Amino acid sequence: QKEVEQDPGPLSVPEGAIVSLNCTYSNSAFQYFMWYRQYSRKGPELLMYTYSSGNKEDGRFTAQVDKSSKYISLFIRDSQPSDSATYLCAMSRFTNAGKSTFGDGTTLTVKP
Amino acid sequence: SQTIHQWPATLVQPVGSPLSLECTVEGTSNPNLYWYRQAAGRGLQLLFYSVGIGQISSEVPQNLSASRPQDRQFILSSKKLLLSDSGFYLCAWSRTGTSGYEQYFGPGTRLTVT
Repeated sequence: QKEVEQDPGPLSVPEGAIVSLNCTYSNSAFQYFMWYRQYSRKGPELLMYTYSSGNKEDGRFTAQVDKSSKYISLFIRDSQPSDSATYLCAMSRFTNAGKSTFGDGTTLTVKP
Repeated sequence: SQTIHQWPATLVQPVGSPLSLECTVEGTSNPNLYWYRQAAGRGLQLLFYSVGIGQISSEVPQNLSASRPQDRQFILSSKKLLLSDSGFYLCAWSRTGTSGYEQYFGPGTRLTVT
């Protein structure tokens, strides 16, 4: 069983919809949580990071962490066609090496 | 601000040929450095990471190797490429210690072994 599970999708929504992307994890040692966006044939781009339970908002994006359930989410409000990409969740323990464990990504398409 | 460079952007190499991919980071010092491979439609596979010059840890046994000859330079090499080495290779950096664990990725190198 993988330490981080992410539904690969694909997920297709109409423009303006609220999108919910989710990851579950099994290792309670994960304390730092990140979301990346990857456009086709490009490197992943960091969207948000947090180390606390609860919500963190940045523009149209909200990251939510529930450590008791080992569940994290990324919400995208008023989705745009430019949001069409693969979204990767990632998690880290508090160690010097800074290694992260990544989900396999969810592919999102926002249709105009 | 920090910038990460990778080259070449694309590469087509025959089986059995050598490989050298280079990654450099600007605007930060003593970063952690990482090499990942991403197969088509798949997640990221960590290949190597480095916490300092000359310090390399391997995550997956294979015919690839990595070196860090300078603080902000990370090189991925192979003496003889296999067909299975094809993929999208990504270099990334992060801050050291407990100042943050988020990683910043380069643009990637798309390698096709024929």
